[in-house]
Order: sequence, then structure tokens, then C-alpha cells
Amino acid sequence: DADVTQTPRNRITKTGKRIMLECSQTKGHDRMYWYRQDPGLGLRLIYYSFDVKDINKGEISDGYSVSRQAQAKFSLSLESAIPNQTALYFCATSDPARSPDTQYFGPGTRLTVL
Amino acid sequence: KQEVTQIPAALSVPEGENLVLNCSFTDSAIYNLQWFRQDPGKGLTSLLLIQSSQREQTSGRLNASLDKSSGRSTLYIAASQPGDSATYLCAVQAAGNKLTFGGGTRVLVKP
Repeated sequence: DADVTQTPRNRITKTGKRIMLECSQTKGHDRMYWYRQDPGLGLRLIYYSFDVKDINKGEISDGYSVSRQAQAKFSLSLESAIPNQTALYFCATSDPARSPDTQYFGPGTRLTVL
Repeated sequence: KQEVTQIPAALSVPEGENLVLNCSFTDSAIYNLQWFRQDPGKGLTSLLLIQSSQREQTSGRLNASLDKSSGRSTLYIAASQPGDSATYLCAVQAAGNKLTFGGGTRVLVKP
């Protein structure tokens, strides 16, 4: 079984809809991250969480919110989706007790906003 | 603000040829640099991680070098195979465990 899973894997929605992307991990890591990837732009950090009570904005947090329901779960919400949020979204985890603090990525969620 | 650039954006080579992928970054205050492989429908797989104090790392046919002072890293893949076809991303890690990614190089190895 995969250590970092994302649901759904693909989603098509309409402008204005609320969308939630979910991430679960079995690695026991405290740190979790959400990134988006646009063609040719690499991955950009949306939000990150160093533990259940610690949530931080990343480079491009506008239009997004997150919830860290438990150590193993980190959800990303789009309150009112817009077409320029069409992208590939990745969740990642890491363990600060390890050096280097390598990030492990989920398979991604492809989101299309019409 | 750290910026990471990868050139070329796409590369096509015949099987057996060596691959050379370039990555440059603007701020040399990094902890490490990683090379990732991305396959369609799958997540990112870490290939090599070079600590800021290191000059290179090797794993099988892969060799990555780091010149922190000039802000450059190069990934070499020897004797390329069709299975090496993928997108390769480099990322630098700085304070706060944040990764800054380049745009990637899409590689096609033709049989």
C-alpha cells in the first residue's frame, strides 16, 4: 500500500463550487504539505503543517484553506473554485527527526475547473 | 526570493546516449538540492540529494554535481534507456524545510 494517498485522483468541477482534496499518510510523519503544479512551473507550496496545531501559509495560499484533522490527514479546500485553479495538486510528508528531512509525495490529484 | 531554473525544458535523445540536465538557483544559502523524477499519474520520486557541503552524489547510472557558489547543479544519466523517459525536477531546500522547485526537464529516450 502507498504511504501517501490522495483522493480523488481526478476531479472535474464548475466555477464557484466548493472542493475538498484529501491526503492521508501511514508514514507517521508530523509534517505535511500541499503543492500545486502548473505546466512548466514546477511545484509551488500552498500550505504546510508541522504538526496538528501548526498551519502555515505557503507561497500561493490565496483562494485555498486547509484542515489538519489528525497527524495522518491533511485536507485542502477550494472555497469557490475558479478556472485558474486547474492544476495538478500534490500532498507530501516529512519527518523532522530525520536528516535530511526528505519529503515524500503522493500520486497527485488532477483538478479541472470549468 | 529563491528562483530555480531548469534548462532545457525538453530533451529527446536516442537510446544509449548520455543525458545532461541542468539546474540553476539564485540564492546559494541552501541546505541541500534534490533531483526528482516524475512519471505521469504518479508522484515524485527522489533520485539524489546533495547536501550543501557536498560536491556530488552518485547512484547507479545517475550522477549529480553541485556548485553552490555558482548556483548550479547538473544531473548526468549515463547510457540512457527508454525507461528513463520522464520529467526530471530539481528542488533546493532552505530554511523552514521549504522546497523551491524548478520547472522541470521533460526527457524522451527513443529506442
